[in-house]
Amino acid sequence: DGGITQSPKYLFRKEGQNVTLSCEQNLNHDAMYWYRQDPGQGLRLIYYSQIVNDFQKGDIAEGYSVSREKKESFPLTVTSAQKNPTAFYLCASSIVGDTQYFGPGTRLTVL
Amino acid sequence: QKEVEQNSGPLSVPEGAIASLNCTYSDRGSQSFFWYRQYSGKSPELIMFIYSNGDKEDGRFTAQLNKASQYVSLLIRDSQPSDSATYLCAVGRDDKIIFGKGTRLHILP
Repeated sequence: DGGITQSPKYLFRKEGQNVTLSCEQNLNHDAMYWYRQDPGQGLRLIYYSQIVNDFQKGDIAEGYSVSREKKESFPLTVTSAQKNPTAFYLCASSIVGDTQYFGPGTRLTVL
Repeated sequence: QKEVEQNSGPLSVPEGAIASLNCTYSDRGSQSFFWYRQYSGKSPELIMFIYSNGDKEDGRFTAQLNKASQYVSLLIRDSQPSDSATYLCAVGRDDKIIFGKGTRLHILP
């Protein structure tokens, strides 16, 4: 059953904590992306990766970090430096330059 | 700054009518154009993509692209209550895709 999975579905973070969001895909896509969506807003690109062991900052990378050690996995860490992390986080994957397909998302709330 | 503009809505359309969603973009070099549907609290799902000028039809959906006018639209025929969602326009060039903020569509039963 091919697709993109994200976990957890809901995540709660205390002030000053780092948290990591998981994204896995078995579509054999080279490119993976992380977006943030706030209520009534569009998707804003945080980081993207087109190949293992390489990634680039998107429009709002400050306070976030990623790794791409495996083709299938692209975890996102929300660090304590991110001052307003409450949002809906979406992971996507694609053949480079082609249609992006999204995972189900993780809703992060800061307590 | 490359931009993709959509009317935020809500756009209210009677059930059975045609819903017309519009999108303009600023980058003349844009190569690929996508429409995604997003239900409240869910992730976006691809409805259609279009690369060439003209119309592309898939069931009740038709995407229209006019590169000279930098305009892409989505028509939904025989609108159903299940079509009520936010529709995101996305425009791509090389390896980058930029999303609009979406139009909320409400189908009136």
